Amino acid sequence: AQSVAQPEDQVNVAEGNPLTVKCTYSVSGNPYLFWYVQYPNRGLQFLLKYITGDNLVKGSYGFEAEFNKSQTSFHLKKPSALVSDSALYFCAVRVPYSSASKIIFGSGTRLSIRP
Amino acid sequence: DAGVIQSPRHEVTEMGQEVTLRCKPISGHNSLFWYRQTMMRGLELLIYFNNNVPIDDSGMPEDRFSAKMPNASFSTLKIQPSEPRDSAVYFCASSVGTATEAFFGQGTRLTVV
Repeated sequence: AQSVAQPEDQVNVAEGNPLTVKCTYSVSGNPYLFWYVQYPNRGLQFLLKYITGDNLVKGSYGFEAEFNKSQTSFHLKKPSALVSDSALYFCAVRVPYSSASKIIFGSGTRLSIRP
Repeated sequence: DAGVIQSPRHEVTEMGQEVTLRCKPISGHNSLFWYRQTMMRGLELLIYFNNNVPIDDSGMPEDRFSAKMPNASFSTLKIQPSEPRDSAVYFCASSVGTATEAFFGQGTRLTVV
């Protein structure tokens, strides 16, 4: 069965500092991995994805994520945090091209950036 | 494209009433998902359609919940009868095929009193 773990409910970072939001996954096969962001009273917005190739993928708003197959991790990173990055972040996994190619989300991590 | 469109945005109903949530996926997308978000349980997948066919409904809580996708441009999630514990934000999302990211609607906030 597919599963995604986000071990931190909340991450607090000072503006200008680098940030990391952690994600690990468990699936059979080679998954596609995604990060989404949710602002208050809004739907989830797609940030970036890993399909294949370079383990470091870049996405919207200066975010990037590093895929590590041996550690089954896909951590979200940003070199310099902004107050406007404060939101709820979700990691997700999908096994592509399968009959059960559903998208499973982690529990979410609330990112708080202090000025 | 207008994105995934959900209606209504807010719904308040009394316990025991029937509730129908609606979703119009992005044109050309053939995978559709219904999720439920609560503080306690996070974001749960309720049901997943591919080419209008339900592929996985293992997340549907109980027989009170049902979902249909009569055509490629419309899906409904029905709760009958509704209960206070069904109060949540329900999201619809769609994607192209089975190997891409999904795009979410704005959600329907359901309150059952």
